[in-house]
Amino acid sequence: KNQVEQSPQSLIILEGKNCTLQCNYTVSPFSNLRWYKQDTGRGPVSLTIMTFSENTKSNGRYTATLDADTKQSSLHITASQLSDSASYICVVSDKKASGTYKYIFGTGTRLKVLA
Amino acid sequence: NAGVTQTPKFQVLKTGQSMTLQCAQDMNHEYMSWYRQDPGMGLRLIHYSVGAGITDQGEVPNGYNVSRSTTEDFPLRLLSAAPSQTSVYFCASSYSRGGAATLYEQYFGPGTRLTVT
Repeated sequence: KNQVEQSPQSLIILEGKNCTLQCNYTVSPFSNLRWYKQDTGRGPVSLTIMTFSENTKSNGRYTATLDADTKQSSLHITASQLSDSASYICVVSDKKASGTYKYIFGTGTRLKVLA
Repeated sequence: NAGVTQTPKFQVLKTGQSMTLQCAQDMNHEYMSWYRQDPGMGLRLIHYSVGAGITDQGEVPNGYNVSRSTTEDFPLRLLSAAPSQTSVYFCASSYSRGGAATLYEQYFGPGTRLTVT
């Protein structure tokens, strides 16, 4: 069964510190992996999209890594800010034989950054 | 561009009532979809559309209908609301190529929080 699992479920850090969020998946065949940021009461916003051949992709203070062999991804946040407080969702896309795609969403990691 | 807009933002229904959640996008995206988000679960796909006049079922389509008469609009209809449909509903859109959403970004609307009593 295609699944996306994220850890930890929640995380509290102090402003200015770094943190790393994990995503493990069992989706096959793999097409791409996305990280989204979802502020409370808002829709998810895309941070990065990575294909099979990409190992690292950055978006400002956010850096995503992908190991397609072990089916693991991480999202590293550098020098955290209060505005980073949000849920971070890992989404893996497979590619069906029909050519269409399906997105499998993780349950997210809830990050709280304290002053 | 307004992006993806959804109305209403909040809605309370009684069991058995019907209603339509509205979704519109002004980015000329072919691919549009509806998700529901429940506590402790990832977003789940309800229905999607790869273009005007074309819709298909997602993971959890029961109790919902959709239509796509224009590129811009993709309404979601609840036929007879049930407490199990209490959730936050998100509409999303993206470019597509060949009828499939590929590596393009998905843009999500702000969501509609629905409570069925």
